[in-house]
Amino acid sequence: NAGVTQTPKFQVLKTGQSMTLQCAQDMNHEYMSWYRQDPGMGLRLIHYSVGAGITDQGEVPNGYNVSRSTTEDFPLRLLSAAPSQTSVYFCASSYNSARAEGGYTFGSGTRLTVV
Amino acid sequence: GESVGLHLPTLSVQEGDNSIINCAYSNSASDYFIWYKQESGKGPQFIIDIRSNMDKRQGQRVTVLLNKTVKHLSLQIAATQPGDSAVYFCAENRIQGAQKLVFGQGTRLTINP
Repeated sequence: NAGVTQTPKFQVLKTGQSMTLQCAQDMNHEYMSWYRQDPGMGLRLIHYSVGAGITDQGEVPNGYNVSRSTTEDFPLRLLSAAPSQTSVYFCASSYNSARAEGGYTFGSGTRLTVV
Repeated sequence: GESVGLHLPTLSVQEGDNSIINCAYSNSASDYFIWYKQESGKGPQFIIDIRSNMDKRQGQRVTVLLNKTVKHLSLQIAATQPGDSAVYFCAENRIQGAQKLVFGQGTRLTINP
């Protein structure tokens, strides 16, 4: 049981490039979300999904797209990378879409640098 | 190395002492709270949670206290060990019926031998 798997672990992009951060979970969780973590600012919610085919914006959605075609996968797309998107990105999931009882399961993160 | 937490509040304690990490939340409508532990280079890990209808909840070596009057949450770690060194985040569920956990800034706990 792998839990939440994020790839890649590290990535360097040039300004204007696009890329997709992958997130997959094998726990049959309904709820999946993407957070970014910046120094001194905790984790901020980018997008989330309460089930396949359903996504919604979080606190900082600009510059990012998501889709949820399957229960297992929740990719995060950067359309045109900017230096302000340099951050550590975490994907998280939980069983219940209504509440986070027992907390989220987090992936190990993707460290992204945009130059 | 890990760049997260360069400007975090820091708490230093002696090994074996008890640690108390504090968190203030802003929304009186929040009704569910979680503490997470994040070790260097890893994702946050669930420690303990508490609902707003409770004042205290205990786990293994950890206790969470909730004071709704002043919107304050604390995490107590008993007999702190070197493995407790990490950044600790509180999180609150701000929207009733929706799952949008909002995280605090975090506190770095360092253990002195």
